[in-house]
Amino acid sequence: GQNIDQPTEMTATEGAIVQINCTYQTSGFNGLFWYQQHAGEAPTFLSYNVLDGLEEKGRFSSFLSRSKGYSYLLLKELQMKDSASYLCAVPPNDYKLSFGAGTTVTVRA
Amino acid sequence: EPEVTQTPSHQVTQMGQEVILRCVPISNHLYFYWYRQILGQKVEFLVSFYNNEISEKSEIFDDQFSVERPDGSNFTLKIRSTKLEDSAMYFCASSENPEKPYEQYFGPGTRLTVT
Repeated sequence: GQNIDQPTEMTATEGAIVQINCTYQTSGFNGLFWYQQHAGEAPTFLSYNVLDGLEEKGRFSSFLSRSKGYSYLLLKELQMKDSASYLCAVPPNDYKLSFGAGTTVTVRA
Repeated sequence: EPEVTQTPSHQVTQMGQEVILRCVPISNHLYFYWYRQILGQKVEFLVSFYNNEISEKSEIFDDQFSVERPDGSNFTLKIRSTKLEDSAMYFCASSENPEKPYEQYFGPGTRLTVT
């Protein structure tokens, strides 16, 4: 089975940096995804890591350590529109995503 | 930019009734999925569909549920004899090809309310 843990909530100030950690235990590993979900909306794809290391994409970066079962999503230069839930997801096989409960990030002025 | 569409955006039904949720995946995508999200809870996998058959289904996806691709563009989720606990947001998703099954693109969702 899969076990995905991430903090429930985080608060940060506009312009700051926030790091959202995710630890996982999974029977099969085929990479790790981060999705963003605004309230009442669908999840939108942010990043995919399959190899160890840091993937940078604009203000967002994602890191993976397979040996530690650990990933983080780094949000830089926070903007008010970044207030959302951030979902860590692991696909145990080709056919589905298993999501964590999500981390709600609140950006304050 | 191509996107997954879903109709209706909100469906209200009475307990015991049947509902059909509709999805139009991105046109060149081959893998289709349904997920649900009960209010305040995490997104849960229901079923995946490839090559006109179910690839995998979760324990939630019991005989009450069925999926169909009735034509070349639509992908539907039917819920028979709805229960109060079926109230949730239902998301359809699709992904491009067997080499990239993981990059799933989600539709805006259908909010199902069972009264």
